[in-house]
Amino acid sequence: GAGVSQSPSNKVTEKGKDVELRCDPISGHTALYWYRQSLGQGLEFLIYFQGNSAPDKSGLPSDRFSAERTGGSVSTLTIQRTQQEDSAVYLCASSNSVGSAYEQYFGPGTRLTVT
Amino acid sequence: AQRVTQPEKLLSVFKGAPVELKCNYSYSGSPELFWYVQYSRQRLQLLLRHISRESIKGFTADLNKGETSFHLKKPFAQEEDSAMYYCALNGQGAQKLVFGQGTRLTINP
Repeated sequence: GAGVSQSPSNKVTEKGKDVELRCDPISGHTALYWYRQSLGQGLEFLIYFQGNSAPDKSGLPSDRFSAERTGGSVSTLTIQRTQQEDSAVYLCASSNSVGSAYEQYFGPGTRLTVT
Repeated sequence: AQRVTQPEKLLSVFKGAPVELKCNYSYSGSPELFWYVQYSRQRLQLLLRHISRESIKGFTADLNKGETSFHLKKPFAQEEDSAMYYCALNGQGAQKLVFGQGTRLTINP
């Protein structure tokens, strides 16, 4: 079946511009996660959705970052006034269960480059 | 606070040799530990989780609560094992994974 998809696969933007990154989770998965993969920083948690609500936004690095999820499916991560330090691969994952010991299925990522 | 440490950024071994990727964690409760793998040009995928006590692709990992470790081991490395490996932790009640910084494993022929 179809896995998690993300678009665009690559995005180059100028410093100060806003960007939107999209994630389509596996159909029926109620939980959705955003992570950021930076050189030297590993994988950092950004935000978690259960349905359309976001119980945990603790990883968002600043108020320039926001995310929403509609219809319990597609999610958009928005970065306003991008900075060079925002350059990273942004990964989305989804899961069909909550609680511990669940498996997260990852998308291919969006590589964001801020020039 | 939850923290995962993978002390080796790079690890290189010869084909057929044993391999061990180290992972230590910091968490006061009972964590769930995972190993994720990312092969070249592929997406991140689950390799194994401690709760299932499985052996996947010849890899095993034992949770040692006394040493707060979850090292990944394979007795005989294969070239196709070359990849980036991430150890991850999920704390009780948490809905997110905390990842280590990853170890890039290279298997030399």
